[in-house]
Amino acid sequence: DAKTTQPPSMDCAEGRAANLPCNHSTISGNEYVYWYRQIHSQGPQYIIHGLKNNETNEMASLIITEDRKSSTLILPHATLRDTAVYYCIVRVVGGGADGLTFGKGTHLIIQP
Amino acid sequence: DAGITQSPRHKVTETGTPVTLRCHQTENHRYMYWYRQDPGHGLRLIHYSYGVKDTDKGEVSDGYSVSRSKTEDFLLTLESATSSQTSVYFCATQPQGMRQPQHFGDGTRLSIL
Repeated sequence: DAKTTQPPSMDCAEGRAANLPCNHSTISGNEYVYWYRQIHSQGPQYIIHGLKNNETNEMASLIITEDRKSSTLILPHATLRDTAVYYCIVRVVGGGADGLTFGKGTHLIIQP
Repeated sequence: DAGITQSPRHKVTETGTPVTLRCHQTENHRYMYWYRQDPGHGLRLIHYSYGVKDTDKGEVSDGYSVSRSKTEDFLLTLESATSSQTSVYFCATQPQGMRQPQHFGDGTRLSIL
């Protein structure tokens, strides 16, 4: 049962900001939003995560709506190397071991 | 990523043979995971470990076993490989603590003929 909904694919011009949406309307109060990406043939790469405040790191920014039912991952200056499948995952965070549930993600294609 | 090495990176074997995949980490992370990835499916959890000698089943554990005799190594064994186990296998590690992300290896591509 999918807990997140993402568009299957998106295009973005190189150098522009890539904004990837995710819907998680059934998110619980103790669930965080995590973003990973997978470049062809490689293992998933962690990007960022957040609970309710906006977060930024060296890779991206994460904007979570006030009702927490959706979020947007922003890659501020997309490059060709950002072409990948991006996964939005909600995850209960209790400090223990737990598997991640991956959906189909968004295939982001950066156009030169 | 996070000092994770998977071996072998590629393997071709025949139905009915035993296969062991190894995940080695250098970060001393407590938790370790095995996933498989198939076309049309996202990554699916096979087994995970929450400490040395402590393991549990994931979503698609049938036909697989695991062992973890030391912190740095997590082994995935297919006792008698079947063609349905042809897949790309990813290992992940996670440090103990709240909100820690999982970090993934580069995968093992396994083909069973």
